[in-house]
Amino acid sequence: EIVLTQSPGTLSLSPGERATLSCRASQSVSSSYLAWYQQKPGQAPRLLIYDASSRATGIPDRFSGSGSGTDFTLTISRLEPEDFAVYYCQQYDTSPRTFGQGTKVEIK
Amino acid sequence: EVQLVESGGGLVQPGGSLRLSCTASGFTFSGYNMNWVRQAPGKGLEWVSYISSSSSTIYYTDSVKGRFTISRDNAKNSLFLQMNSLRAEDTAVYYCAGVVGFRYFDRWGRGTLVTVSS
Repeated sequence: EIVLTQSPGTLSLSPGERATLSCRASQSVSSSYLAWYQQKPGQAPRLLIYDASSRATGIPDRFSGSGSGTDFTLTISRLEPEDFAVYYCQQYDTSPRTFGQGTKVEIK
Repeated sequence: EVQLVESGGGLVQPGGSLRLSCTASGFTFSGYNMNWVRQAPGKGLEWVSYISSSSSTIYYTDSVKGRFTISRDNAKNSLFLQMNSLRAEDTAVYYCAGVVGFRYFDRWGRGTLVTVSS
């Protein structure tokens, strides 16, 4: 099973700042089969990024994904108030599909 | 508008059973592969089970094999999860989620809470 480790656990930033979230895999993720999700309290997750760098429908271009192999990054170029949430990465290269433990982006 | 609405959660004793349902609307359910994903209180996300659009392919995570059964009724736009021999560690919010291929989850319900406790 591929273990995904996200860092940092919590990111304290102000609106307008840049957020950089990391997701490291325990083994190489082929073909960049990695997605990112956003989850707000009491809500279901929302797909942001798939195939490591493709934005899902309706996702603002301040969200971008990059990386390959074992190291992936989600970048939020300028944080808006609605972006403060928990973010998860997920791999779909091997079974079982696995998620990282999440990074919380909180208001500083 | 795409909607997935789960129901059937509740409080159950260890060793008991529950049947979760998910009703879909706003998209062609019969053409979509579906999953159950759960989230224990204060924890991260865990994929539980997958069923292909025609029900021909089914997968489970190891911890629920032999206890949970996924099924669907395309005529009723519905997905199900029969959960038997429930354990305390099955306590979680259970989400119904649509998947592209068996890759990323692009549509989610709001979840239903299952609590296993005596």
